[in-house]
Amino acid sequence: DIQMTQSPSSLSASVGDRVTITCRASQGISNYLAWFQQKPGKAPKSLIYAASSLQSGVPSKFSGSGSGTDFTLTISNLQPEDFATYYCQQYNSYPRTFGQGTKLEIK
Amino acid sequence: EVQLVESGGGLSKPGGSLRLSCAASGFTLSTYSMNWVRQAPGKGLEWVSSISSSSSYIYYADSVKGRFTISRDNAKNSLYLQMNSLRAEDTALYYCTRGGLGDPWGQGTLVSVSS
Repeated sequence: DIQMTQSPSSLSASVGDRVTITCRASQGISNYLAWFQQKPGKAPKSLIYAASSLQSGVPSKFSGSGSGTDFTLTISNLQPEDFATYYCQQYNSYPRTFGQGTKLEIK
Repeated sequence: EVQLVESGGGLSKPGGSLRLSCAASGFTLSTYSMNWVRQAPGKGLEWVSSISSSSSYIYYADSVKGRFTISRDNAKNSLYLQMNSLRAEDTALYYCTRGGLGDPWGQGTLVSVSS
């Protein structure tokens, strides 16, 4: 199974900041990586697929990069609605696996 | 509007069974693979099972293999998860998601397994 490791597990930032979350795969997954945002009490929402492609309707403040084993999600100009938990997931092979999540909190 | 609505969750005793359903609307179910993903209380996301558009390919997490069965009825625009031999560790919010990219997600249905 492919293990997905996110860092950091939690992150404090201020409104207006730019933050980067990292996701590392235990083996190469090409660009078969997705990022999801989950707010408390809500279902996850897809943000990015194919490592860097934005889902329809997702603002350009979200960006993704990487290929192979190392990936990043960058969020610029943080706003209150961006404070949530973020998950990466590989869809290169089964079983699909998620990172453990990164909780982004307001400083 | 593309929408997924799960139902069928509830309370079960260990060893019991439940059948989850996911009703799809706003798109043609038969053209997409579908997935179940669960989230235990206060925990992260765990992929459970996937089924291809024509049901030809089915995959399960090791944690549910042999106990859960995924199926679909494209004519009824519905996805199902038959859950047998339930364990306490199956307690979670169960989401259905569309396609290989997992977009969108339903609102989830809660399964609680307790004696």
